[in-house]
Amino acid sequence: GESVGLHLPTLSVQEGDNSIINCAYSNSASDYFIWYKQESGKGPQFIIDIRSNMDKRQGQRVTVLLNKTVKHLSLQIAATQPGDSAVYFCAENGERDDKIIFGKGTRLHILP
Amino acid sequence: DTEVTQTPKHLVMGMTNKKSLKCEQHMGHRAMYWYKQKAKKPPELMFVYSYEKLSINESVPSRFSPECPNSSLLNLHLHALQPEDSALYLCASSLTSGLFFGPGTRLTVL
Repeated sequence: GESVGLHLPTLSVQEGDNSIINCAYSNSASDYFIWYKQESGKGPQFIIDIRSNMDKRQGQRVTVLLNKTVKHLSLQIAATQPGDSAVYFCAENGERDDKIIFGKGTRLHILP
Repeated sequence: DTEVTQTPKHLVMGMTNKKSLKCEQHMGHRAMYWYKQKAKKPPELMFVYSYEKLSINESVPSRFSPECPNSSLLNLHLHALQPEDSALYLCASSLTSGLFFGPGTRLTVL
């Protein structure tokens, strides 16, 4: 119901530890996936993307893993910092490249 | 210029008002988007323009009317909105893949 939707899943991680945020996608036709970071009061910020012909892609301190068999995507953040505190969304292109659809989001909370 | 700008930042309007949201980018991106985001929810796609033509309308009520005057500008005209339309309205642009978002307009409908 609506009350469930008001609560974002939250991941609490100690500063300096690695964070892993997971996402299950639904559309088998999706072949392009993106992770976004959204800080309070701001628009979503592009972090990293991956196409379905890859199963891993690395950026600066971030790695995205794609498992097409189980339709699962994950974002790994190395050495988590206070500035990483935000809501993280995965997104997929569904049936067409210009139609980017967002998943539910996970709030990352950094413990001092 | 590597950003998407949106005006106004905040807007309060009555249900009988007509107002417009504006979005601008100078990155040469050919696709521009409107998303609506309610609190603690993901952004929901509303409209997509590709090469200044409307390519996607996600069954959005006609009280929301998009316009793309040129490749750098995107407007969202609002008329006779309802209180449940209160949300953060996000504009984004894209060259080939990946969206670049503006900061959004926080809309409150009284």
